[in-house]
Amino acid sequence: TAGITQAPTSQILAAGRSMTLRCTQDMRHNAMYWYRQDLGLGLRLIHYSNTAGTTGKGEVPDGYSVSRANTDDFPLTLASAVPSQTSVYFCASSGYTGELFFGEGSRLTVL
Amino acid sequence: AQRVTQPEKLLSVFKGAPVELKCNYSYSGSPELFWYVQYSRQRLQLLLRHISRESIKGFTADLNKGETSFHLKKPFAQEEDSAMYYCALSPLTGGGNKLTFGTGTQLKVEL
Repeated sequence: TAGITQAPTSQILAAGRSMTLRCTQDMRHNAMYWYRQDLGLGLRLIHYSNTAGTTGKGEVPDGYSVSRANTDDFPLTLASAVPSQTSVYFCASSGYTGELFFGEGSRLTVL
Repeated sequence: AQRVTQPEKLLSVFKGAPVELKCNYSYSGSPELFWYVQYSRQRLQLLLRHISRESIKGFTADLNKGETSFHLKKPFAQEEDSAMYYCALSPLTGGGNKLTFGTGTQLKVEL
């Protein structure tokens, strides 16, 4: 079972360009999340979705948007990237147990 | 608002020595506490959660509500324990839903 699949694995992006990080899960989990991981800051929640059709803001939502058209997919979009968005992005999902299952991460560099 | 504090960015111990990774939290209600681990080149994964009261890979963690702590302990460190460890808090029983992570502690077990 693949679990959580993220794409791309790594990307270099020019400032001002837009980018969508893709996340797909095959576990039929209701809840999905996007975190960014930065050295010294740990993991910070960007956006989340408790169920298909709903989304919510996390701790650091500015500059990011998400959508949840169906259960499996939860893309994260940067409309106009800035260098401070250079980070490793992790998608995660959780089911009834509450345990978070993470993807392998997407490393984004904004120049 | 909830907060998780991991005071040590790096903890270096010798193989066979006891390990204690510190975690303190602040939350006005009844939290659920977790430890997640990220081994080199692997996904972030759940190590243990306080409600299960399990020992996983020799690690234990006791929730101390008086001291608002959830320290991770292991009596004898092994080389394979080297990893990044994150303490996390959820305000809901069952976990998930806007999990708040600490900044992480890198554990290095030396031979």
